[in-house]
Amino acid sequence: EDQVTQSPEALRLQEGESSSLNCSYTVSGLRGLFWYRQDPGKGPEFLFTLYSAGEEKEKERLKATLTKKESFLHITAPKPEDSATYLCAVQAPSGNTPLVFGKGTRLSVIA
Amino acid sequence: NAGVTQTPKFRVLKTGQSMTLLCAQDMNHEYMYWYRQDPGMGLRLIHYSVGEGTTAKGEVPDGYNVSRLKKQNFLLGLESAAPSQTSVYFCASSRQGSDGYTFGSGTRLTVV
Repeated sequence: EDQVTQSPEALRLQEGESSSLNCSYTVSGLRGLFWYRQDPGKGPEFLFTLYSAGEEKEKERLKATLTKKESFLHITAPKPEDSATYLCAVQAPSGNTPLVFGKGTRLSVIA
Repeated sequence: NAGVTQTPKFRVLKTGQSMTLLCAQDMNHEYMYWYRQDPGMGLRLIHYSVGEGTTAKGEVPDGYNVSRLKKQNFLLGLESAAPSQTSVYFCASSRQGSDGYTFGSGTRLTVV
């Protein structure tokens, strides 16, 4: 059974204090790994897709990286508006297989 | 461009009542999905569709039915609601199965 584990469950940072969120997976033959941001009371918002080990994607203060067993979402010099829950999801080899989501990391950035 | 629209946004049901949640997308996406999100459980897939007229079961399909009669709409039905179905329900769509999903804003359902 595919498994996605995110850590930590919650993270509290001071504004400007860089850190990383982790997503480890055990899916056989990963087709893609997805990162989403979810604000309270809203649906998840797509951030990145990573397809192969060594790949990196960046958006503003966020950078996602991928290895054969895990992905990291690096947050550089975060601001309070980066506070949200960050979700990781994986897709198995078949392109029609729906995403399997982790439970998320709740990030709070304090001014 | 509205994206993915879910109705209603909030609903309270009594045990045993039935209801239908509507999801509509205006992006001409082939794939549509229904997830539920519960505290500590993350997003779990209920049913999904890979095209008009098709449906398939996800991880937690029991107690739910779906229909995709039109490409733009994906309906989720609860025939006899139970308190265990209290949750936030999210609909999503994608152009292809390997694309990132566009989510709706969710329906918060409480079954008492």
